Amino acid sequence: LAKTTQPISMDSYEGQEVNITCSHNNIATNDYITWYQQFPSQGPRFIIQGYKTKVTNEVASLFIPADRKSSTLSLPRVSLSDTAVYYCLVGGEPPNAGKSTFGDGTTLTVKP
Amino acid sequence: NAGVTQTPKFQVLKTGQSMTLQCAQDMNHNSMYWYRQDPGMGLRLIYYSASEGTTDKGEVPNGYNVSRLNKREFSLRLESAAPSQTSVYFCASSTLRGRNQPQHFGDGTRLSIL
Repeated sequence: LAKTTQPISMDSYEGQEVNITCSHNNIATNDYITWYQQFPSQGPRFIIQGYKTKVTNEVASLFIPADRKSSTLSLPRVSLSDTAVYYCLVGGEPPNAGKSTFGDGTTLTVKP
Repeated sequence: NAGVTQTPKFQVLKTGQSMTLQCAQDMNHNSMYWYRQDPGMGLRLIYYSASEGTTDKGEVPNGYNVSRLNKREFSLRLESAAPSQTSVYFCASSTLRGRNQPQHFGDGTRLSIL
């Protein structure tokens, strides 16, 4: 199983850039790295996914070093509404989906 | 679009009772998943179905059974509920196209077992 490790919590202020790192030392060759955001009383929501190097979309960037043993989610200019729990998921599509594991997530608190 | 719909949203059971949680998706996805999330913790995979007609155990399958009724529906059954199964249960679905595809989640079923 590709276990993941993230910081338990992070604090930031509105307008700042936030970087959340996930460690996944035993990532497999075919595994992708996916980040999700979860608000209270809701299911997780997809943010971004990558395999190597850098991926950017309209809400975030994902940086993955060459050894792929870690990844960093970057949220530019956060706002109060970005307060949520962020999870990285490392794993494969079925039939390897059972080897995908969510970590315990990082609780990001954005302050005014 | 409804996406992934879970029913019921809330349920209270007594120890030993049985219950089936329902999940349906309208995105024509091949794969479906059941997770549980305990307070302050991440999601743990219970069972998943790679495609219609197949199911496989995840990380924490004990005490649960699943049925992939058709491509749209994937149910989770607790045959004899235990207090340790008090949790929030999430269903998710994804396409299957040879690379990881993001999972789409429902809003969960909050289950309390007394």
